[in-house]
Formats: sequence, C-alpha cells, structure tokens
Amino acid sequence: QVQLQESGPGLVKPSQTLSLTCTVSGGSISSGSYYWSWIRQPAGKGLEWIGRIYTSGSTNYNPSLKSRVTISVDTSKNQFSLKLSSVTAADTAVYYCARDGGYDSSGYYYVWYFDLWGRGTLVTVSS
Amino acid sequence: DIQMTQSPSSLSASVGDRVTITCRASQSISSYLNWYQQKPGKAPKLLIYAASSLQSGVPSRFSGSGSGTDFTLTISSLQPEDFATYYCQQSYSTLLFTFGPGTKVDIK
Repeated sequence: QVQLQESGPGLVKPSQTLSLTCTVSGGSISSGSYYWSWIRQPAGKGLEWIGRIYTSGSTNYNPSLKSRVTISVDTSKNQFSLKLSSVTAADTAVYYCARDGGYDSSGYYYVWYFDLWGRGTLVTVSS
Repeated sequence: DIQMTQSPSSLSASVGDRVTITCRASQSISSYLNWYQQKPGKAPKLLIYAASSLQSGVPSRFSGSGSGTDFTLTISSLQPEDFATYYCQQSYSTLLFTFGPGTKVDIK
C-alpha cells in the first residue's frame, strides 16, 4: 500500500530556510490524479494547510504563507518537497505530508480530501 | 477565506453514548466537507469525505450529514478507541483548504 514519510532537519535557526522531503513508497507519485500536500500543526493547536503540488508542477499555496513557501516535485525519486524561508519561532510545528484527492462514492466526481498522511516530523525553530 | 467553526470545542462522554459534533462554514461549501480523527502523537485519519461518504475501513458507527454551511459528525455508539480530537475541513476552495479548530472527545 502507498505510504508517505517525511524527512529533514528537526532544528532550524531563525531566518533560515526549513526544508523537508516527503517520500512516497508503495506506488508511483504520478499515478492517479492526486495532488500532494503539506500540512502543519503547532503543539497543542489545530491543522494548517500549507500548500500542494500536482506532478505536472502546478501548485496552490496558502496565501498567508505564499511569499515564503515553495513546493516542488521530483517524480524520478517519487518525492515532493517543502521549502519555507525566513522562519521564526511561529513556524515551529509538526509538519505532515499528505495525498490529496479521490473520487466520491458515485465514482463520477473528483473531490479533495487528505486520505493518506505521513507520520509527521517535528521542526523546531530556535537558535 | 472560508472560516470553519466547530461546536462544542470539547465534550465528555461515556462508552456507548451517541455523540454529535457540529461544523459550520462561513459561506456555503455545498458538500465539500471532510472529517478527520486525530489521536495524540498521531497523524489525522480521514473518516468522512464529501460530507457523508464513509472512508474505506472506517467503522459504520461514524456518519456525516449536512450541506451548505452546516454539517454534523455522529458517532452512534462511542467506543474506547474513539476518544480523540475531531476536525472538519472544507475542500470547496482549492485555493485555501481550511480546518475547523477541533473537538476533543474525552472520557466522562
């Protein structure tokens, strides 16, 4: 079955760039009509969608983070990545990657939902 | 931006209870509403998509309803493994997916 796994540094200094990679295993990142998303969750708080990418390279970003976010995909490695620049303590969170999309129960309409998630990785921003 | 609210923010219930959680969108989102369950230290798990469709492998005691701005997640008979935090999420606006603040269900 398809699985997702986040990887990257657990500690990033303020003003630097946070870089994470999500590796998709058990299936091709290019199969189906899925988008691939990044979502984060500060400790004890709710979920915030960061953005997503299609294997064509098409992206959508959360407007509140858009100026600092870049999501890219490497289909040859079955991976997609997140870069978040100019980080501050407010960016400290567990970062999840997730698969986004699927058909509804009728099988006719394509809708958006996060059906597969990585286990998450804690990134702390601190000097 | 489409804002999502949930009520209650927390609730205490007993095994076997019927539990209802409400989610409201700041504008109509048709049926583009998903529900997730999250346990401490774990990633969220998809329960319901498109307002009322049960994700494969999810027990039938979970159900969802609603359309427009008002939605409900119901657990017909609460089980010990259901104590968790539940989030709704709108997928109507693909430019900005947003989640509700969560409802924590704990043991009475």
